[in-house]
Amino acid sequence: TAGITQAPTSQILAAGRSMTLRCTQDMRHNAMYWYRQDLGLGLRLIHYSNTAGTTGKGEVPDGYSVSRANTDDFPLTLASAVPSQTSVYFCASSLEGRRNSPLHFGNGTRLTVT
Amino acid sequence: GQQLNQSPQSMFIQEGEDVSMNCTSSSIFNTWLWYKQDPGEGPVLLIALYKAGELTSNGRLTAQFGITRKDSFLNISASIPSDVGIYFCAGSTSGTYKYIFGTGTRLKVLA
Repeated sequence: TAGITQAPTSQILAAGRSMTLRCTQDMRHNAMYWYRQDLGLGLRLIHYSNTAGTTGKGEVPDGYSVSRANTDDFPLTLASAVPSQTSVYFCASSLEGRRNSPLHFGNGTRLTVT
Repeated sequence: GQQLNQSPQSMFIQEGEDVSMNCTSSSIFNTWLWYKQDPGEGPVLLIALYKAGELTSNGRLTAQFGITRKDSFLNISASIPSDVGIYFCAGSTSGTYKYIFGTGTRLKVLA
């Protein structure tokens, strides 16, 4: 089934360690996004990419980095994890055209930083 | 920055009742989206709205793009147990490639 695949599904990470959350889409969408979801705060944009080779900062980018080497993959890296990065992370994609197109989401990665 | 206020935060309703929820923004949007999220899964798109005043239905769901372009409404008619979940609104202005999400409405349906 076409869509977005995120890995891992969940992870427990020691503070100070690094980790990369993987995201792959097979819909040939040009735009991709990373959101974090925290109780009471909804979904907040971390980083986004309009097209392969370009990235931009969202609302809460600090402590995270992304790359977009090709259309399908958009990994999110935590260089040195801190407990406040405990969250559920969602990758999304959209096909941007003449108007804003809806976001399609993966099933998330639940990250716990201890 | 832009803010989206979604209300109510939670609702407990009886099966068969109608449900209404809304989102208001401090900014003008040109796109409104409504999503539903089930436990352990990502949000799934329910309805997309692109024009002020637009009224769009998806089965028992109906959403409207407010005339002021600063609000949107979602109605669910004749609720059923599988309507349980968290409903999110999201809005975007043209060309930003960025959506702002509301904090969600948690819906519980009592059989």
